[in-house]
Amino acid sequence: QKEVEQNSGPLSVPEGAIASLNCTYSDRGSQSFFWYRQYSGKSPELIMSIYSNGDKEDGRFTAQLNKASQYVSLLIRDSQPSDSATYLCALILTGGGNKLTFGTGTQLKVEL
Amino acid sequence: DGGITQSPKYLFRKEGQNVTLSCEQNLNHDAMYWYRQDPGQGLRLIYYSQIVNDFQKGDIAEGYSVSREKKESFPLTVTSAQKNPTAFYLCASSTPQGAHTGELFFGEGSRLTVL
Repeated sequence: QKEVEQNSGPLSVPEGAIASLNCTYSDRGSQSFFWYRQYSGKSPELIMSIYSNGDKEDGRFTAQLNKASQYVSLLIRDSQPSDSATYLCALILTGGGNKLTFGTGTQLKVEL
Repeated sequence: DGGITQSPKYLFRKEGQNVTLSCEQNLNHDAMYWYRQDPGQGLRLIYYSQIVNDFQKGDIAEGYSVSREKKESFPLTVTSAQKNPTAFYLCASSTPQGAHTGELFFGEGSRLTVL
């Protein structure tokens, strides 16, 4: 089982809809989880971090964490064409120190 | 402006040649990282360094080498031993605290193509 799993997509949503991006992980001891956004040909940028079970909201973005189910999600409300990108889920493995382990990413396409 | 500079942005290499990718940061960050990204793949860690003159192998270090002689610089050499070197290479840095918050600062990447 991969340490971090994401559906590669593409996930297509209409403009204004809610985009839901999902990530599962295998290391039950992981405590820190992150979402990065990567535009085509560009470098990733951190958009959300979450450490506790529940929801964390930042503007149009909401990160959700369920440690019992080993599941992290990112919701994007009122999706815009500028949100079209690949979203990478990342975490720090137990004993991983300060190294991030990334999933393969989900490509999101927001259509007009 | 503070940031991470990678060069070259595009690089072509013949099989059997070693190439060195440059990564320089002026953020005064202690930790630096090299990741490789293949199409449809996430980022895979090649090497990382938490302090000057010290570095550790990541998940896919075979065929690569690094040095960390200065805090600002973390060059990556792709050797001829790397069997499939064509990829997008990303350098990143962080503070010790930033690493735990997931806050990596990335350079713009170097795209290596083996001819």
